[in-house]
Amino acid sequence: KAGVTQTPRYLIKTRGQQVTLSCSPISGHRSVSWYQQTPGQGLQFLFEYFSETQRNKGNFPGRFSGRQFSNSRSEMNVSTLELGDSALYLCASSPRQSIYNEQFFGPGTRLTVL
Amino acid sequence: GIQVEQSPPDLILQEGANSTLRCNFSDSVNNLQWFHQNPWGQLINLFYIPSGTKQNGRLSATTVATERYSLLYISSSQTTDSGVYFCAVKRVDSGTYKYIFGTGTRLKVLA
Repeated sequence: KAGVTQTPRYLIKTRGQQVTLSCSPISGHRSVSWYQQTPGQGLQFLFEYFSETQRNKGNFPGRFSGRQFSNSRSEMNVSTLELGDSALYLCASSPRQSIYNEQFFGPGTRLTVL
Repeated sequence: GIQVEQSPPDLILQEGANSTLRCNFSDSVNNLQWFHQNPWGQLINLFYIPSGTKQNGRLSATTVATERYSLLYISSSQTTDSGVYFCAVKRVDSGTYKYIFGTGTRLKVLA
């Protein structure tokens, strides 16, 4: 079974631009979560989607948004990019929305904001 | 909110040595996982272990939920074990889930 895939793997943008990242979960998994990893803040939860609805949200500004499609694929969008948005963005999938589920991570998208 | 701390923050071992990594959490949790992050950033699942003990080859883990800690044991370490090890917990908080990653232990295994 194929793992979680994320595209693109690397991205360079300039301040003020917006960016869209994509995540395809493991086949049959319906819950997708997003995380941001930076050297200063570590790994932080952004949001979780299940059945095309945002179910949980971390403490990030409204510039960070996402959506999930009927095939469970998910996208996250960051608008008006800031230098501090430079990070590794990780997507994780699990079979369903349950606190007891194991999460499986993709390879990440490394975003650099200049 | 819940705090998740890992120790030691850094660890250097000679190949073949054993080690114990610790994850302490400040409140009860419903779910705990251990991950290994390789140099390319990929998080690799090691254990899903909200309680009890599990073993997988040279690795084993124990979670004592009532005392709010988990341990990851690495035996006969190899250079490929190098990387950062994270524990991550989930708990219900105010009707929603909270997902918290620990601070990580950076392991370097020398040949």
